[in-house]
Amino acid sequence: GAVVSQHPSRVICKSGTSVKIECRSLDFQATTMFWYRQFPKQSLMLMATSNEGSKATYEQGVEKDKFLINHASLTLSTLTVTSAHPEDSSFYICSPRGDLLWTEAFFGQGTRLTVV
Amino acid sequence: AQTVTQSQPEMSVQEAETVTLSCTYDTSENNYYLFWYKQPPSRQMILVIRQEAYKQQNATENRFSVNFQKAAKSFSLKISDSQLGDTAMYFCAFLEGGSEKLVFGKGTKLTVNP
Repeated sequence: GAVVSQHPSRVICKSGTSVKIECRSLDFQATTMFWYRQFPKQSLMLMATSNEGSKATYEQGVEKDKFLINHASLTLSTLTVTSAHPEDSSFYICSPRGDLLWTEAFFGQGTRLTVV
Repeated sequence: AQTVTQSQPEMSVQEAETVTLSCTYDTSENNYYLFWYKQPPSRQMILVIRQEAYKQQNATENRFSVNFQKAAKSFSLKISDSQLGDTAMYFCAFLEGGSEKLVFGKGTKLTVNP
């Protein structure tokens, strides 16, 4: 399978600060990036979809000004949680997808964000 | 909209035994893909097995096999010779051909007991 690197794996930040999560596809070009959020003991919830060089499309109920997504290259996408609050504490997972591997979904290792 | 239903929130099985996890889905499309993903305590999502809807033959990957019943819209996962390392959350997922979004079920927590 493809190699996906998501960093950091864990981060603790103070309320009001911003946190950036990086997701890299190391051996394929990710034309599309999916960002998920997972609450404890629950399934993955799609937050947004981004295509390289374009603005992200956010799912209903997801604040685009709070969760900034940048997909400037085919190998890197970032999710920035701005002005973080304790309720933003969660597990975030990226899933890059390439045109040649469209029916294959690969996932990053996830980032556990704790806002204190 | 497509939906995926996993009716078993939790299951347990003895080591070396066989267990079947159920999944049903709802779609009006004919071209789609189905997946089972494993999420162990590390929380890394791992693809277990995948099935193309146009294929009648059930997919098999070593100890993992599926029972794909297209008319019934059922896609169950059978794990044979269960191992302690199989302990994980298992998610059934659906991808419509031409769509970009994976639709996940709520998951089944499987515990393999020694």
